[in-house]
Amino acid sequence: AQKITQTQPGMFVQEKEAVTLDCTYDTSDQSYGLFWYKQPSSGEMIFLIYQGSYDEQNATEGRYSLNFQKARKSANLVISASQLGDSAMYFCAMREFLAGGTSYGKLTFGQGTILTVHP
Amino acid sequence: NAGVTQTPKFRILKIGQSMTLQCAQDMNHNYMYWYRQDPGMGLKLIYYSVGAGITDKGEVPNGYNVSRSTTEDFPLRLELAAPSQTSVYFCASRPYDSQSNQPQHFGDGTRLSIL
Repeated sequence: AQKITQTQPGMFVQEKEAVTLDCTYDTSDQSYGLFWYKQPSSGEMIFLIYQGSYDEQNATEGRYSLNFQKARKSANLVISASQLGDSAMYFCAMREFLAGGTSYGKLTFGQGTILTVHP
Repeated sequence: NAGVTQTPKFRILKIGQSMTLQCAQDMNHNYMYWYRQDPGMGLKLIYYSVGAGITDKGEVPNGYNVSRSTTEDFPLRLELAAPSQTSVYFCASRPYDSQSNQPQHFGDGTRLSIL
């Protein structure tokens, strides 16, 4: 069974600084995908970034990047130049990939990290 | 640009009552999902569907039922509401793709309280 662990219940960062949110995972699959979502206080789930297990380069999307270390089974989210609007809950999630090459895209979520950006 | 629409946004139920949470998507996505999020926790999969007429259980299906008669709609039914079902419910959808790197698109959630 897949498992996602986010060990930081809460993180604080000063505006304009960079912050790293940790995510480790456990899976026996060779092929898998890792997603990061942002959940502001308003409650919606916003997709940020995706990393495939066979991707050779770390994913980047604007101020978001993934520090993907496959051997250590970690996929940490790095937010550069933090903004007040980055204050939110952040979830790491893993996509299941079934034997035989099929995937129904089901996601297993971590418990989340609450990020607070201070002015 | 509707995306995934969930109704209602809020609901209070009494123990033992039943209700249906509605979910509709206008993106012609094959895959749809129902998750619940308990306070301070991550999302857990209740049920999912890979197309009209096809549904399957997720991690926490007990106390819930689903149906998928059309591509667009994926309602979630609570038959006998229990306090343990107090949660925020999210519906999501995703297009089919062989690489499965497409993200799920989420609705805004339904906040349900069972008293």
